[in-house]
Amino acid sequence: AQTVTQSQPEMSVQEAETVTLSCTYDTSESDYYLFWYKQPPSRQMILVIRQEAYKQQNATENRFSVNFQKAAKSFSLKISDSQLGDAAMYFCAYRDSNTGNQFYFGTGTSLTVIP
Amino acid sequence: DTAVSQTPKYLVTQMGNDKSIKCEQNLGHDTMYWYKQDSKKFLKIMFSYNNKELIINETVPNRFSPKSPDKAHLNLHINSLELGDSAVYFCASSQMYSPSPLHFGNGTRLTVT
Repeated sequence: AQTVTQSQPEMSVQEAETVTLSCTYDTSESDYYLFWYKQPPSRQMILVIRQEAYKQQNATENRFSVNFQKAAKSFSLKISDSQLGDAAMYFCAYRDSNTGNQFYFGTGTSLTVIP
Repeated sequence: DTAVSQTPKYLVTQMGNDKSIKCEQNLGHDTMYWYKQDSKKFLKIMFSYNNKELIINETVPNRFSPKSPDKAHLNLHINSLELGDSAVYFCASSQMYSPSPLHFGNGTRLTVT
């Protein structure tokens, strides 16, 4: 089975600063999808951003962007101009395009935003 | 419009009881899932159904029984509840063989006393 590793259990950032959350994955597939989810204290799971492996361009959604390094199997999330509402648990997830049904999640990074 | 809805939001019950959690999605997806999130926030897949057919059945006690009456519904029944079953249970849906992400329900916090 594919594995997804988030090596930072906890991170903190000053409000208005930039923070990068790391994610690496292990796969022998060439075509797959990657996602970042945010889980605030409300426990809702919110999709932040997605990346398709065949696309070389890094995905961007407003203040959220990714650094996708396919050869290194790395998919980090950059949050710019951090806001108090960004405080949450962040999960990285991987999905094969071939098998299609299974999603693999990392163990999460808890982000604290310091006012 | 709620995309994936699960009920109830909270469930408090005593050991030994039987309880059910219901889930419905209106996204037209063909695949639905149950995940368990423990106190350390680890997300663990329990079951997955594709068009009412069980396709993922992880190592889960057989006290847990999923049921999918149609592709828009996936319910979870738990028999003889134990303290260790306390967790947040998430229902989710997606479309197989597509770039579709997982769409999650809001979770059910189960507390077994």
